[in-house]
Amino acid sequence: GIQVEQSPPDLILQEGANSTLRCNFSDSVNNLQWFHQNPWGQLINLFYIPSGTKQNGRLSATTVATERYSLLYISTSQTTDSGVYFCALGRRDDKIIFGKGTRLHILP
Amino acid sequence: EPEVTQTPSHQVTQMGQEVILRCVPISNHLYFYWYRQILGQKVEFLVSFYNNEISEKSEIFDDQFSVERPDGSNFTLKIRSTKLEDSAMYFCASSGWDTRTDTQYFGPGTRLTVL
Repeated sequence: GIQVEQSPPDLILQEGANSTLRCNFSDSVNNLQWFHQNPWGQLINLFYIPSGTKQNGRLSATTVATERYSLLYISTSQTTDSGVYFCALGRRDDKIIFGKGTRLHILP
Repeated sequence: EPEVTQTPSHQVTQMGQEVILRCVPISNHLYFYWYRQILGQKVEFLVSFYNNEISEKSEIFDDQFSVERPDGSNFTLKIRSTKLEDSAMYFCASSGWDTRTDTQYFGPGTRLTVL
């Protein structure tokens, strides 16, 4: 099956710093989503981005489908950005497959 | 903005008991899913449901699990005889079409603790 690899596994930053999270995948996909899991365990949709670039406030994402990777950028980090960021992929079936996530700690 | 809701937020049960986890998907969505996340691990697919039947299930989704859409709004996951290893966060999700064209929206999850 399709493999999803996220890097780095852990990231510790000071408030105000910028970060780039990466998601590599092993095969073509029709669906790619980024999620933020907050400290309460809730999964928050960030982007649906099987290709191209999107921006939402301080967050942006780019997927280069031909090279099989996606990047999530967080600018001017805030402590509320802490949590785990998941990349999840779908093919021509129903399920989406999650990566292991990047755990982000933003220090005040 | 429409959202997926789940109840209860936390369920504690004894091993061997039956539990039913409830979800209300987004109202115009057609595809429904259950995923689970064991503490500290990644989110894993359990089952997808479309047109009143299971469209795909994972190897985790054995005979102890079942899903149902008993009416036009609810979508339930039943675990017949819970085991300790069923302790996890269970997420319901829904999408308007299929994964090729639409986002899957996740509910806030039900934390199941089996004692």
